[in-house]
Amino acid sequence: KAGVTQTPRYLIKTRGQQVTLSCSPISGHRSVSWYQQTPGQGLQFLFEYFSETQRNKGNFPGRFSGRQFSNSRSEMNVSTLELGDSALYLCASSFRTGGDEKLFFGSGTQLSVL
Amino acid sequence: DAKTTQPTSMDCAEGRAANLPCNHSTISGNEYVYWYRQIHSQGPQYIIHGLKNNETNEMASLIITEDRKSSTLILPHATLRDTAVYYCIVSGYGGSQGNLIFGKGTKLSVKP
Repeated sequence: KAGVTQTPRYLIKTRGQQVTLSCSPISGHRSVSWYQQTPGQGLQFLFEYFSETQRNKGNFPGRFSGRQFSNSRSEMNVSTLELGDSALYLCASSFRTGGDEKLFFGSGTQLSVL
Repeated sequence: DAKTTQPTSMDCAEGRAANLPCNHSTISGNEYVYWYRQIHSQGPQYIIHGLKNNETNEMASLIITEDRKSSTLILPHATLRDTAVYYCIVSGYGGSQGNLIFGKGTKLSVKP
């Protein structure tokens, strides 16, 4: 089975621009979560989607948004980029939400904001 | 905030067992203990999880104390490829498994 695929792997943007990151979960997985990882704050939860519905949202400003499609693929968008948005953005999938599920992570998208 | 406490770093000799401790004194009855690891520049990788009983899989063993206030992850024969940051996480059954609270983790360095 193919793992979680995130594209692009690297991205460079300038302040004020917007960016869209993509995540394809493992086949059959219906839950997708997004995390931001920075050296200072570590791994922080952004949001979780299950069957196209946002189930949970972390403590991030409204500039961060996401969605999930009927095939479970997910995208996250960051508008009006700030320097502090430079981070590794990780996507994780699981078969379901709830229960004692384990998460499978992708390799991430490294976003640099100049 | 993370509900777990782990040492910042540990060293282990290659071929020896690596024992990584974790304190989770406020764990509640329906919360599982999960371990993930993250090798540099990669996404975290699931290792093992458990509720009350000790667990073993092809990667590691998880020992949970009887009062469930602490646990130990054991890598029986550490290799250089086990050098990574190891995260101990508690998360409740029925809760959102997508929302894991990662702490700082333990940086394990396996040395030749």
